[in-house]
Amino acid sequence: GAGVSQTPSNKVTEKGKYVELRCDPISGHTALYWYRQSLGQGPEFLIYFQGTGAADDSGLPNDRFFAVRPEGSVSTLKIQRTERGDSAVYLCASSLESGVLGEQFFGPGTRLTVL
Amino acid sequence: DAKTTQPTSMDCAEGRAANLPCNHSTISGNEYVYWYRQIHSQGPQYIIHGLKNNETNEMASLIITEDRKSSTLILPHATLRDTAVYYCIVRVGAAGNKLTFGGGTRVLVKP
Repeated sequence: GAGVSQTPSNKVTEKGKYVELRCDPISGHTALYWYRQSLGQGPEFLIYFQGTGAADDSGLPNDRFFAVRPEGSVSTLKIQRTERGDSAVYLCASSLESGVLGEQFFGPGTRLTVL
Repeated sequence: DAKTTQPTSMDCAEGRAANLPCNHSTISGNEYVYWYRQIHSQGPQYIIHGLKNNETNEMASLIITEDRKSSTLILPHATLRDTAVYYCIVRVGAAGNKLTFGGGTRVLVKP
């Protein structure tokens, strides 16, 4: 079956611009996660949705970052006034259930480059 | 979540077993041990998880010491496609849902 998909696969933008990154989770998965991975490091948690609501947004670095999941399926990560330090691979994952037993399935990521 | 310690890198020979160690000395009773791997330019992939008993699936085996302070992931017959970064993660069973990744072990399988 279809896995988690993310679009675009690559995004190049200029400092100060606004970007949106999209995640399509596996159909029926209620939990959705966003992570960010800088070069040479492990992924870093950003935000977790259970259904439509953000259950844990403690990983969002500042108020320039915002994510939505209005219908409990597709999610969009929004970054305002991008900075060069935002350059990273943004990973989305989904799971069938929340909690420790919910295996997370990851998408291929969106590589964001801020010039 | 408890912190984990893994070697930075290791090599192994194709066809041989690869044994990947992980220390998690501060693990608490409600925390599980998870292993994920990340092949170059892909998202992380779930491998296996366990609480205190040893576990085996089609990909690997997980051996957890009796005191639960360390574990070993075993890839029984490593192939070139197993070259990846392997992450050992300790995850709270009740309240936490996020995965906290460390630096992982970069495994290179050589012919």
